Amino acid sequence: NAGVTQTPKFRILKIGQSMTLQCTQDMNHNYMYWYRQDPGMGLKLIYYSVGAGITDKGEVPNGYNVSRSTTEDFPLRLELAAPSQTSVYFCASSQEGLAGSGELFFGEGSRLTVL
Amino acid sequence: QKEVEQNSGPLSVPEGAIASLNCTYSDRGSQSFFWYRQYSGKSPELIMSIYSNGDKEDGRFTAQLNKASQYVSLLIRDSQPSDSATYLCAVHRAGNQFYFGTGTSLTVIP
Repeated sequence: NAGVTQTPKFRILKIGQSMTLQCTQDMNHNYMYWYRQDPGMGLKLIYYSVGAGITDKGEVPNGYNVSRSTTEDFPLRLELAAPSQTSVYFCASSQEGLAGSGELFFGEGSRLTVL
Repeated sequence: QKEVEQNSGPLSVPEGAIASLNCTYSDRGSQSFFWYRQYSGKSPELIMSIYSNGDKEDGRFTAQLNKASQYVSLLIRDSQPSDSATYLCAVHRAGNQFYFGTGTSLTVIP
């Protein structure tokens, strides 16, 4: 029962470096999301995808890129890391809005620090 | 105006009391409403969902929705120390976008 798997769980980056956060789900969900959560704050939507080959921006997309080549995988790319991107990143998935309960299934999170 | 607003707290209640958590949302087109619980250092987990006006009860939890007032609440009866967590209100809009509030931190004092 893997659900949503994120890697890595922890990472320290230097300013200007790039990296990719990996996310994969085994529930055959069409909808996938990337959120960031800053200390004491709620979740902010970065990007989301409604199916393979389709992605769209959320509330805070600047500095990030995504791709969705398969139903299972939804990687998040950070280009030119900045201290403002220090956060905990959560990947989530859900069933189709009309057919499903609307419940989001979350990964365990990836804690990123940019120094 | 924020999509979803919550009082950040912290909210402290004694064990056995009722904890009341509130949330307002800005988009009248919002369709579904959720309460997630998040323990420190963990990912959010769904505890309640509500889709129509009125009350929905599940064990010690009751969610209340008033679409005319754009207001959602969560009541936790007989609060336990294990209920101490941050509670996130989430709103589901058309296009399957979920927006979250900043969360309310609840502490249940034994």
